[in-house]
Formats: sequence, structure tokens, C-alpha cells
Amino acid sequence: GAVVSQHPSWVICKSGTSVKIECRSLDFQATTMFWYRQFPKQSLMLMATSNEGSKATYEQGVEKDKFLINHASLTLSTLTVTSAHPEDSSFYICSARDGRDRGNQPQHFGDGTRLSIL
Amino acid sequence: GNSVTQMEGPVTLSEEAFLTINCTYTATGYPSLFWYVQYPGEGLQLLLKATKADDKGSNKGFEATYRKETTSFHLEKGSVQVSDSAVYFCALYNFNKFYFGSGTKLNVKP
Repeated sequence: GAVVSQHPSWVICKSGTSVKIECRSLDFQATTMFWYRQFPKQSLMLMATSNEGSKATYEQGVEKDKFLINHASLTLSTLTVTSAHPEDSSFYICSARDGRDRGNQPQHFGDGTRLSIL
Repeated sequence: GNSVTQMEGPVTLSEEAFLTINCTYTATGYPSLFWYVQYPGEGLQLLLKATKADDKGSNKGFEATYRKETTSFHLEKGSVQVSDSAVYFCALYNFNKFYFGSGTKLNVKP
């Protein structure tokens, strides 16, 4: 139980295009979802927290207009990297919190999406 | 504030050697502590956790004890295997947020 699926797992696109990454909770309702960014050989940095039906809360230094987050349902959050450039290349990981606090961890992590901008 | 400090890697060991990866933290309140493992190209997998002082988390031969007096949560394993090669992250969970250490890469040679 408590599976979080991210799609796509890997995407390569040209500079200037927008890329959408999906994060789905497959067997639970996620009241809150989180988006992290991981640079090569570095730790995960929280980018934003999204609650279903409301605007995302962004961490300091994260551009809201660059990284658009939508949490339209209790099982789906999307991260759109707008007008992507090579410096946006990174590994993006989402996580989701089960609204009923089941499971052995407060957030369940997806397998990540590797974004490469040429 | 909340932060996690991990020993820098990479750590290279021979198979069956003893493993210690140090982790210390600073936090307000009463955080929970976690160890996650990340294999190449994959997301995070929960390895073990401890929710209060003196708790010991254990899984797959790994263990860590929540030491409030030393603000530490060191990861240990008595005999590592080649399949344990991965990056290990120590993490603190407080006020509904995760704070991750920088990660320690472990290489186990046959």
C-alpha cells in the first residue's frame, strides 16, 4: 500500500519548452503533496507544498512562475517547468501524505523524474 | 532551526565489513528521524526510522538509535554486502516537513 507514482520517469526536451510532471497517489488520498529537487550528488531540497484545492506554498528562492504546481484532486499533483532551460535540468521527486496517516512514514515518495534540457 | 549533517562520502568498504555512517541533527521540538536509501536512478526508499529518544530503528541488518543527548542518529550494519551499495540519506521530520542530509555514497567491493 501507499504507492506514489511519478510520470514520466525521464524526459529530454529542448530549451524553451514547458514540461509537465505528474505525481499520483495510487491507493490513498493525498491531502498534501510535496515537490523536491535533487541536484547531482546532492540532497533533496523542498521546492513547494501543495494542498488539494488551494495554491501551493513555495520555499524561499523557488520561482513560482517557473515551477507551476497544481493539485486538482486528492490523488494528483502536477509540476510544470515553464520555458525550461539547461539549468532546470535535475531530478525531481514528489511525495504525498496520506490523509488518514496510515503507513510507517509521514510522506510516501515517488521514484522521481529525471529532466534533461538540451 | 532544523538541519541534518551527514558524514561526507564516498565510503568504500569490502564485503562483510562493518559500516557506520554518522548523522547529527539540530531541531526544535520533538522530531522523528529517518534513514532513506537511494539506488542509482531511483527515488527514496525508507530504510528505518525512530520517532522518539532512545528508540532503535532496524531493517535488513541496518540499525540506528535516536540519541537525544548527542543529537545523533548514526547508521550501522555489522556486515555489508555488495547489494548495499547506494546513497544513504539521514532525514529529520518536524512540523510536517522533511529536512535531508547531503547523502553518503556507499561503495561495497566484493
